Amino acid sequence: GENVEQHPSTLSVQEGDSAVIKCTYSDSASNYFPWYKQELGKRPQLIIDIRSNVGEKKDQRIAVTLNKTAKHFSLHITETQPEDSAVYFCAASKEAAGNKLTFGGGTRVLVKP
Amino acid sequence: DTEVTQTPKHLVMGMTNKKSLKCEQHMGHRAMYWYKQKAKKPPELMFVYSYEKLSINESVPSRFSPECPNSSLLNLHLHALQPEDSALYLCASSQGALATHTDTQYFGPGTRLTVL
Repeated sequence: GENVEQHPSTLSVQEGDSAVIKCTYSDSASNYFPWYKQELGKRPQLIIDIRSNVGEKKDQRIAVTLNKTAKHFSLHITETQPEDSAVYFCAASKEAAGNKLTFGGGTRVLVKP
Repeated sequence: DTEVTQTPKHLVMGMTNKKSLKCEQHMGHRAMYWYKQKAKKPPELMFVYSYEKLSINESVPSRFSPECPNSSLLNLHLHALQPEDSALYLCASSQGALATHTDTQYFGPGTRLTVL
């Protein structure tokens, strides 16, 4: 089955700096890659996603890049703010797996003011 | 209503108890999910219902029994649980049926379960 690895497991950045989280996946058939943010004690929420026919997608301070050949994708957060502090999960899915998402292990991001 | 709701927020039960977790959505979504999340870990898929039919069971022990009475409701019946089953149980929903794997999954706030 699909395996998604996520790095780093923890990331501490100064407010205003950028944060980058990387994920690699094993199944070349995977073609949908969402990112979820989970604040402490809260539910996971989708923040951005990318499909395999696109190499990059941006939404304000957040961007995701995808390298299908290397089977990795990354989340970029620019101008980090304290409210960006949370756990971020990447995930992958493919059509043959139905609605199943395979999650990475998560990255705990701490933005220091 | 654009949220997934779950009750109760917290649940403490003994290993001989029977309890149920409830999930509700009124977004017209036809796929609903149960996930288990241990501390500092990602959500782990347990079950998927599509059009009120069980479509995915991730080899979950029979002490967990899902039920989808209608398109808006999802239950998880618990019986004879073990202490290692203590976790946050998350419900989610998404718009489409099986094979719409790019639909956004919307999560509920979860039920924090403690098994004594």
